[in-house]
Amino acid sequence: DVKVTQSSRYLVKRTGEKVFLECVQDMDHENMFWYRQDPGLGLRLIYFSYDVKMKEKGDIPEGYSVSREKKERFSLILESASTNQTSMYLCASSESSGRAYNEQFFGPGTRLTVL
Amino acid sequence: AQSVSQHNHHVILSEAASLELGCNYSYGGTVNLFWYVQYPGQHLQLLLKYFSGDPLVKGIKGFEAEFIKSKFSFNLRKPSVQWSDTAEYFCAALRNKLVFGAGTILRVKS
Repeated sequence: DVKVTQSSRYLVKRTGEKVFLECVQDMDHENMFWYRQDPGLGLRLIYFSYDVKMKEKGDIPEGYSVSREKKERFSLILESASTNQTSMYLCASSESSGRAYNEQFFGPGTRLTVL
Repeated sequence: AQSVSQHNHHVILSEAASLELGCNYSYGGTVNLFWYVQYPGQHLQLLLKYFSGDPLVKGIKGFEAEFIKSKFSFNLRKPSVQWSDTAEYFCAALRNKLVFGAGTILRVKS
């Protein structure tokens, strides 16, 4: 079974703090993704990575950065947290997009509240 | 821009009622289609997927979806829902990237 784990289920931070969200997958997947999930908006892609040290902006990258130093780990960084970044953050991984089977597997999510 | 539309945000059904959740995507050409489900307190998981071949796709827990290319649609169906189907359902389309619809919250009354 593919397992995607996220470092925290719940996180409360203050405005202006630097926040790190960690994600680890154990299936040697090449691709990793960060989404945020908001009611009525579905999932929106923040950043993704096709390989170690590679990153690509998604649809809403402003205010976020990412780091992928190892294949199994993909970190999302909020440089200076703001209240409008209060959300559920989901990490996902998938095999290489060169294959037909590219289902994404999701972690349990981190609910971040910025006060 | 690529987009996915889900017709209903909230659906309430009684047990044993039939379910159909609408999904339309905005772009032509080859596209892979998915339905994901998120049960209360659980992580998002795949319900079914369509890549090619038979446009009627069967997934887990008695769900199925039909790909109609001419209508750019991929509607989810279940003939008889159960209380345990209460969840949020997301349609998604993959071309260069996976694009999700806004989600449909289904509540099944027992």
